[in-house]
Amino acid sequence: DAGVIQSPRHEVTEMGQEVTLRCKPISGHNSLFWYRQTMMRGLELLIYFNNNVPIDDSGMPEDRFSAKMPNASFSTLKIQPSEPRDSAVYFCASSRGTGSYNEQFFGPGTRLTVL
Amino acid sequence: EDKVVQSPLSLVVHEGDTVTLNCSYEVTNFRSLLWYKQEKKAPTFLFMLTSSGIEKKSGRLSSILDKKELSSILNITATQTGDSAIYLCAVVASNSGYALNFGKGTSLLVTP
Repeated sequence: DAGVIQSPRHEVTEMGQEVTLRCKPISGHNSLFWYRQTMMRGLELLIYFNNNVPIDDSGMPEDRFSAKMPNASFSTLKIQPSEPRDSAVYFCASSRGTGSYNEQFFGPGTRLTVL
Repeated sequence: EDKVVQSPLSLVVHEGDTVTLNCSYEVTNFRSLLWYKQEKKAPTFLFMLTSSGIEKKSGRLSSILDKKELSSILNITATQTGDSAIYLCAVVASNSGYALNFGKGTSLLVTP
């Protein structure tokens, strides 16, 4: 099993540029989560999908952030335009979302630096 | 607003010591509490607790939930340098679907 796959692993960009982070969940998992981790705020949920449908996006910081899940095996998180305060590690996680007691498996994360 | 608070924020111990990490929560409609270990990469799952008073064990690690006190502890006995990591506590509440609400973590350093 390949686990959750994220790309790129590292991204360095300049303020104002568009950034797209990608995630492939574990095959058969129908819930997908995007988290952001910073030293100041820890791990925060941004958005999650169940069966490709966004369920809760209340954690998305502002309109500059958007996420899509066009099919069961792919999701993107886009930041446009990026700002230095968006620098963080972005994790994608997936689980079998058939109940509340399901382990979430995390991808390796994308370390984003916005200069 | 749901809250998950971990203590201490950081801890330095010697190999062989026993440590206890704490997690307290205030959430509406609690479902489960999970512990994760994070080294220099993604968090990895340790335990999921849903029932009060039932200890879960995995080797030198154990955890228990107290729903009356709205808290959980994670114990590590005979610590090793490989236990050095950030330990994250997360809570699932019914009003958050299946999403995890994380505490800020406890950073544990085990010195030789």
